[in-house]
Amino acid sequence: RKEVEQDPGPFNVPEGATVAFNCTYSNSASQSFFWYRQDCRKEPKLLMSVYSSGNEDGRFTAQLNRASQYISLLIRDSKLSDSATYLCVVNWGLNYGGSQGNLIFGKGTKLSVKP
Amino acid sequence: DAMVIQNPRYQVTQFGKPVTLSCSQTLNHNVMYWYQQKSSQAPKLLFHYYDKDFNNEADTPDNFQSRRPNTSFCFLDIRSPGLGDAAMYLCATSKPTGYSNQPQHFGDGTRLSIL
Repeated sequence: RKEVEQDPGPFNVPEGATVAFNCTYSNSASQSFFWYRQDCRKEPKLLMSVYSSGNEDGRFTAQLNRASQYISLLIRDSKLSDSATYLCVVNWGLNYGGSQGNLIFGKGTKLSVKP
Repeated sequence: DAMVIQNPRYQVTQFGKPVTLSCSQTLNHNVMYWYQQKSSQAPKLLFHYYDKDFNNEADTPDNFQSRRPNTSFCFLDIRSPGLGDAAMYLCATSKPTGYSNQPQHFGDGTRLSIL
């Protein structure tokens, strides 16, 4: 069964706080990992890819733990504009001539940053 | 500049009346996807095209069909919409690589309502 699990939240944090989200996936063969952000009634937008060694983009840090099959996202110095739903996304194997196959989305973790 | 364009943004149709949603892309990506997303749920993949190869998800109802006349365009046809088909429909594109993180790029979505 294809599963990507996230805590739905909501996480209610004050501006400036540090907040962390975790995500677990069930397919040990998955090779591509992403965090997407989705605002209410909008399309998902790529926040960052997640690489094996971990990666950082400004206030955002993503980590991958293949052994435990989980991914994390850390947001430092939260801004009001960070309020959104954060979707953990994992590919589900290879398909058709090297295509990375389908992406499976978690249901998302809702973040609300308050003044 | 919008790279994945969905039309219309909002579509209202009657119960049982066929409806077509359209998606175009300027990214020249080989892979195009259609997702259905209902409120507070993860996007659910309906099908995708790798070039002209059509890949249907096992649990996608027969009521949903797709056409890809060329690289740039992809259509979602709902033959007899039911009330349960009211949702946001998202089109996405990606490059086909098997071993590197290739994210999907989403259009703004079409919000479908059924009367």
